[in-house]
Amino acid sequence: GQSLEQPSEVTAVEGAIVQINCTYQTSGFYGLSWYQQHDGGAPTFLSYNALDGLEETGRFSSFLSRSDSYGYLLLQELQMKDSASYFCAVLDRGSTLGRLYFGRGTQLTVWP
Amino acid sequence: EAGVVQSPRYKIIEKKQPVAFWCNPISGHNTLYWYRQNLGQGPELLIRYENEEAVDDSQLPKDRFSAERLKGVDSTLKIQPAELGDSAVYLCASGDGGNTIYFGEGSWLTVV
Repeated sequence: GQSLEQPSEVTAVEGAIVQINCTYQTSGFYGLSWYQQHDGGAPTFLSYNALDGLEETGRFSSFLSRSDSYGYLLLQELQMKDSASYFCAVLDRGSTLGRLYFGRGTQLTVWP
Repeated sequence: EAGVVQSPRYKIIEKKQPVAFWCNPISGHNTLYWYRQNLGQGPELLIRYENEEAVDDSQLPKDRFSAERLKGVDSTLKIQPAELGDSAVYLCASGDGGNTIYFGEGSWLTVV
Protein backbone atom coordinates (compact mmCIF):
# COMPACT_ATOMS: atom_id res chain seq x y z
CA GLY A 1 0.00 0.00 0.00
CA GLN A 2 0.89 3.64 0.16
CA SER A 3 1.54 5.84 3.18
CA LEU A 4 2.75 9.39 3.69
CA GLU A 5 3.84 11.00 6.91
CA GLN A 6 4.04 14.74 7.52
CA PRO A 7 3.77 16.84 10.69
CA SER A 8 0.24 17.84 11.60
CA GLU A 9 1.10 21.44 12.33
CA VAL A 10 3.90 23.99 12.21
CA THR A 11 4.02 27.56 13.46
CA ALA A 12 6.42 30.37 12.56
CA VAL A 13 6.63 34.15 12.50
CA GLU A 14 6.57 36.45 9.51
CA GLY A 15 9.84 36.62 7.68
CA ALA A 16 11.05 33.29 9.02
CA ILE A 17 11.88 30.07 7.15
CA VAL A 18 9.97 26.85 7.70
CA GLN A 19 10.52 23.33 6.41
CA ILE A 20 7.73 20.77 6.12
CA ASN A 21 8.97 17.21 5.85
CA CYS A 22 7.30 14.29 4.14
CA THR A 23 8.25 10.64 4.18
CA TYR A 24 6.48 8.15 1.99
CA GLN A 25 6.08 4.49 1.17
CA THR A 26 4.70 3.45 -2.17
CA SER A 27 5.08 0.59 -4.59
CA GLY A 28 5.40 2.51 -7.85
CA PHE A 29 6.84 5.92 -7.00
CA TYR A 30 6.98 8.36 -9.87
CA GLY A 31 7.13 11.78 -8.22
CA LEU A 32 6.32 13.93 -5.20
CA SER A 33 4.02 16.94 -5.36
CA TRP A 34 3.10 19.66 -2.90
CA TYR A 35 -0.27 21.38 -2.71
CA GLN A 36 -1.45 24.36 -0.68
CA GLN A 37 -4.98 24.69 0.63
CA HIS A 38 -6.40 27.70 2.41
CA ASP A 39 -9.39 27.17 4.69
CA GLY A 40 -12.48 26.60 2.56
CA GLY A 41 -10.50 26.75 -0.66
CA ALA A 42 -9.29 24.40 -3.34
CA PRO A 43 -5.94 22.63 -3.11
CA THR A 44 -3.55 24.40 -5.47
CA PHE A 45 -0.38 22.99 -6.99
CA LEU A 46 2.93 24.30 -5.66
CA SER A 47 5.68 22.03 -6.94
CA TYR A 48 6.64 18.64 -8.31
CA ASN A 49 9.86 16.62 -7.97
CA ALA A 50 10.53 13.49 -9.98
CA LEU A 51 14.33 13.51 -9.60
CA ASP A 52 16.56 13.94 -6.57
CA GLY A 53 17.44 17.48 -5.70
CA LEU A 54 16.03 20.89 -5.04
CA GLU A 55 13.45 22.72 -7.16
CA GLU A 56 13.05 26.43 -6.48
CA THR A 57 10.03 28.54 -7.33
CA GLY A 58 10.21 32.00 -5.83
CA ARG A 59 9.94 31.83 -2.06
CA PHE A 60 9.10 28.11 -2.15
CA SER A 61 11.52 25.26 -2.74
CA SER A 62 10.94 21.52 -2.75
CA PHE A 63 13.46 18.75 -2.25
CA LEU A 64 13.37 15.05 -3.00
CA SER A 65 15.58 12.13 -2.05
CA ARG A 66 14.28 9.00 -3.74
CA SER A 67 16.73 6.74 -1.94
CA ASP A 68 15.48 7.98 1.42
CA SER A 69 11.80 8.17 0.36
CA TYR A 70 11.84 11.67 1.72
CA GLY A 71 11.07 15.15 0.62
CA TYR A 72 10.44 18.56 2.05
CA LEU A 73 8.86 21.88 1.22
CA LEU A 74 10.84 24.95 2.24
CA LEU A 75 9.03 28.24 2.62
CA GLN A 76 11.16 31.36 2.95
CA GLU A 77 10.33 34.95 3.91
CA LEU A 78 7.06 33.78 5.39
CA GLN A 79 4.02 35.99 4.96
CA MET A 80 0.70 35.94 6.76
CA LYS A 81 -0.96 34.73 3.56
CA ASP A 82 1.15 31.55 3.72
CA SER A 83 -1.01 30.35 6.63
CA ALA A 84 -2.68 27.30 5.10
CA SER A 85 -2.55 23.52 4.96
CA TYR A 86 0.23 21.96 2.92
CA PHE A 87 -0.11 18.47 1.49
CA CYS A 88 2.55 16.24 0.07
CA ALA A 89 1.30 13.79 -2.53
CA VAL A 90 2.99 10.90 -4.28
CA LEU A 91 2.27 10.09 -7.89
CA ASP A 92 2.12 6.33 -8.22
CA ARG A 93 2.43 5.01 -11.73
CA GLY A 94 2.36 1.39 -10.66
CA SER A 95 -0.61 -0.91 -10.74
CA THR A 96 -2.90 1.91 -9.66
CA LEU A 97 -2.45 3.61 -13.03
CA GLY A 98 -1.25 7.02 -12.07
CA ARG A 99 -3.01 7.65 -8.78
CA LEU A 100 -2.08 10.69 -6.68
CA TYR A 101 -1.99 9.86 -2.95
CA PHE A 102 -2.18 12.71 -0.47
CA GLY A 103 -0.80 12.96 3.04
CA ARG A 104 -2.96 14.21 5.91
CA GLY A 105 -1.60 17.72 5.57
CA THR A 106 0.43 20.13 7.69
CA GLN A 107 -1.35 23.17 9.08
CA LEU A 108 1.03 26.14 8.90
CA THR A 109 0.24 29.15 11.06
CA VAL A 110 2.25 32.31 10.46
CA TRP A 111 2.22 34.84 13.30
CA PRO A 112 2.92 38.56 12.91
CA GLU B 1 -9.33 30.63 -18.61
CA ALA B 2 -12.00 29.21 -16.32
CA GLY B 3 -10.93 26.75 -13.68
CA VAL B 4 -12.71 23.62 -12.52
CA VAL B 5 -16.32 24.50 -11.73
CA GLN B 6 -18.36 22.58 -9.21
CA SER B 7 -21.91 22.84 -7.96
CA PRO B 8 -23.57 23.04 -5.59
CA ARG B 9 -21.08 24.70 -3.31
CA TYR B 10 -22.93 23.64 -0.17
CA LYS B 11 -25.57 21.00 0.42
CA ILE B 12 -27.35 19.90 3.58
CA ILE B 13 -29.51 16.79 3.35
CA GLU B 14 -31.10 14.31 5.68
CA LYS B 15 -29.68 10.80 5.87
CA LYS B 16 -31.11 8.34 3.38
CA GLN B 17 -31.76 11.12 0.87
CA PRO B 18 -29.99 11.24 -2.51
CA VAL B 19 -27.56 13.96 -3.54
CA ALA B 20 -25.70 14.77 -6.74
CA PHE B 21 -22.67 16.90 -7.47
CA TRP B 22 -21.73 18.33 -10.84
CA CYS B 23 -18.30 19.16 -12.21
CA ASN B 24 -17.11 20.98 -15.32
CA PRO B 25 -13.37 20.47 -15.82
CA ILE B 26 -10.90 22.82 -17.42
CA SER B 27 -11.42 22.91 -21.17
CA GLY B 28 -9.27 20.36 -22.96
CA HIS B 29 -8.48 18.29 -19.88
CA ASN B 30 -9.17 14.65 -20.63
CA THR B 31 -8.56 13.40 -17.10
CA LEU B 32 -11.17 14.05 -14.42
CA TYR B 33 -11.01 13.06 -10.77
CA TRP B 34 -13.44 12.97 -7.89
CA TYR B 35 -11.84 13.17 -4.46
CA ARG B 36 -13.38 13.17 -1.00
CA GLN B 37 -11.80 15.20 1.77
CA ASN B 38 -12.75 14.76 5.41
CA LEU B 39 -12.00 17.46 7.94
CA GLY B 40 -8.32 17.57 8.84
CA GLN B 41 -7.30 15.02 6.24
CA GLY B 42 -5.96 14.96 2.72
CA PRO B 43 -8.06 14.31 -0.36
CA GLU B 44 -8.79 10.65 -1.11
CA LEU B 45 -9.45 9.50 -4.65
CA LEU B 46 -12.91 8.12 -5.38
CA ILE B 47 -12.74 7.76 -9.15
CA ARG B 48 -10.61 8.83 -12.12
CA TYR B 49 -11.78 9.20 -15.70
CA GLU B 50 -9.77 9.27 -18.89
CA ASN B 51 -12.28 10.81 -21.30
CA GLU B 52 -15.46 8.77 -20.82
CA GLU B 53 -13.76 5.74 -19.27
CA ALA B 54 -13.49 5.19 -15.54
CA VAL B 55 -9.93 3.88 -15.30
CA ASP B 56 -9.62 3.83 -11.51
CA ASP B 57 -12.75 3.38 -9.39
CA SER B 58 -11.45 0.88 -6.87
CA GLN B 59 -12.07 3.27 -3.97
CA LEU B 60 -15.61 4.24 -4.95
CA PRO B 61 -18.18 2.70 -2.55
CA LYS B 62 -20.28 1.28 -5.32
CA ASP B 63 -23.18 0.24 -3.11
CA ARG B 64 -24.23 3.87 -2.75
CA PHE B 65 -21.95 5.99 -4.92
CA SER B 66 -22.10 6.31 -8.68
CA ALA B 67 -20.46 8.58 -11.19
CA GLU B 68 -20.72 9.28 -14.86
CA ARG B 69 -18.94 11.28 -17.53
CA LEU B 70 -21.06 10.54 -20.55
CA LYS B 71 -19.52 12.85 -23.16
CA GLY B 72 -16.04 12.99 -21.73
CA VAL B 73 -16.48 16.52 -20.39
CA ASP B 74 -18.83 17.20 -17.47
CA SER B 75 -19.22 14.68 -14.71
CA THR B 76 -21.76 13.91 -12.02
CA LEU B 77 -21.18 12.13 -8.72
CA LYS B 78 -24.23 10.73 -6.97
CA ILE B 79 -24.78 9.34 -3.50
CA GLN B 80 -27.93 7.35 -2.81
CA PRO B 81 -28.81 6.93 -0.04
CA ALA B 82 -26.57 9.30 1.91
CA GLU B 83 -25.27 8.31 5.34
CA LEU B 84 -24.03 10.49 8.18
CA GLY B 85 -20.46 9.41 7.45
CA ASP B 86 -20.67 10.83 3.95
CA SER B 87 -20.39 14.37 5.31
CA ALA B 88 -17.26 15.72 3.65
CA VAL B 89 -16.02 17.98 0.90
CA TYR B 90 -16.27 16.42 -2.56
CA LEU B 91 -13.54 17.78 -4.78
CA CYS B 92 -13.43 17.53 -8.53
CA ALA B 93 -10.12 17.94 -10.29
CA SER B 94 -8.89 17.76 -13.86
CA GLY B 95 -5.59 17.28 -15.63
CA ASP B 96 -4.05 17.12 -19.07
CA GLY B 97 -1.95 14.03 -18.49
CA GLY B 98 0.91 15.87 -16.87
CA ASN B 99 1.98 15.85 -13.26
CA THR B 100 -0.30 18.66 -12.09
CA ILE B 101 -3.98 18.39 -11.35
CA TYR B 102 -6.27 21.36 -10.84
CA PHE B 103 -8.97 21.28 -8.20
CA GLY B 104 -12.33 22.94 -7.98
CA GLU B 105 -13.41 24.60 -4.75
CA GLY B 106 -15.45 21.58 -3.76
CA SER B 107 -18.98 20.72 -2.80
CA TRP B 108 -19.46 20.72 0.96
CA LEU B 109 -21.91 18.03 2.02
CA THR B 110 -23.50 17.83 5.44
CA VAL B 111 -25.73 14.84 6.16
CA VAL B 112 -27.98 15.27 9.19
